[in-house]
Amino acid sequence: IVMTQSPDSLALSLGERATINCKSSQSVLSRSNNKNYLAWYQQKPGQPPKVLISWASTRESGVPDRFSGSGSGTDFTLTISSLQTEDVAVYYCQQNYDTVYTFGQGTKLEIK
Amino acid sequence: QLVESGGGLVQPGGSLRLSCAASGFTFSDHYMDWVRQAPGKGLEWVGRIRLKANSYTTDYAASVKGRFTVSRDDSKNSLYLQMNSLKTDDTAVYYCARIATPKGGGQYDPWGQGTLVTVSS
Repeated sequence: IVMTQSPDSLALSLGERATINCKSSQSVLSRSNNKNYLAWYQQKPGQPPKVLISWASTRESGVPDRFSGSGSGTDFTLTISSLQTEDVAVYYCQQNYDTVYTFGQGTKLEIK
Repeated sequence: QLVESGGGLVQPGGSLRLSCAASGFTFSDHYMDWVRQAPGKGLEWVGRIRLKANSYTTDYAASVKGRFTVSRDDSKNSLYLQMNSLKTDDTAVYYCARIATPKGGGQYDPWGQGTLVTVSS
């Protein structure tokens, strides 16, 4: 399954809304449990990735509520409602539906 | 918590064994993966090992199949990656990662801090 993110990079002002899109080449929605096998990760320089969102829209414990995930099937979105300095990072979507987990190419988020 | 070790500089064609020490959870209940990240690049899944109940079955990315072997020792809460016939393209930070849902799939949580493998003459 090929994951394609857009845009590749994004530069916004503090307080602005950030929207990152992720499209999968086939559906990652399981008909057996109605769950989307889609996660979002944040990676800051020199650090491992950190999971923000699982099952397309479930915010992980400790993740600020300005982060939200939406979408189903093949089209997904990560939204940061009000950009903060500490949100500067590269964001990756990942499908964990297939045996071979695949990631999007990443979206680099910067402050303008 | 996951802590990798064993990275370093190796010549093309050489071998290296990475280790990942787990703590703070029931290691034997979770599928474990290796993921790598070449310098300045994105994330690439490398391989997976399942549970004793699944006969410790493994899967590999096409790019490493036949050269890399994932294993685990549940008695030592440890995961391993044996890398043989290394190529310059294998240069990357290697992360171990826990598949969060016990006995099943889903997202990675946590990840180790990573260990750098450099393949160069």
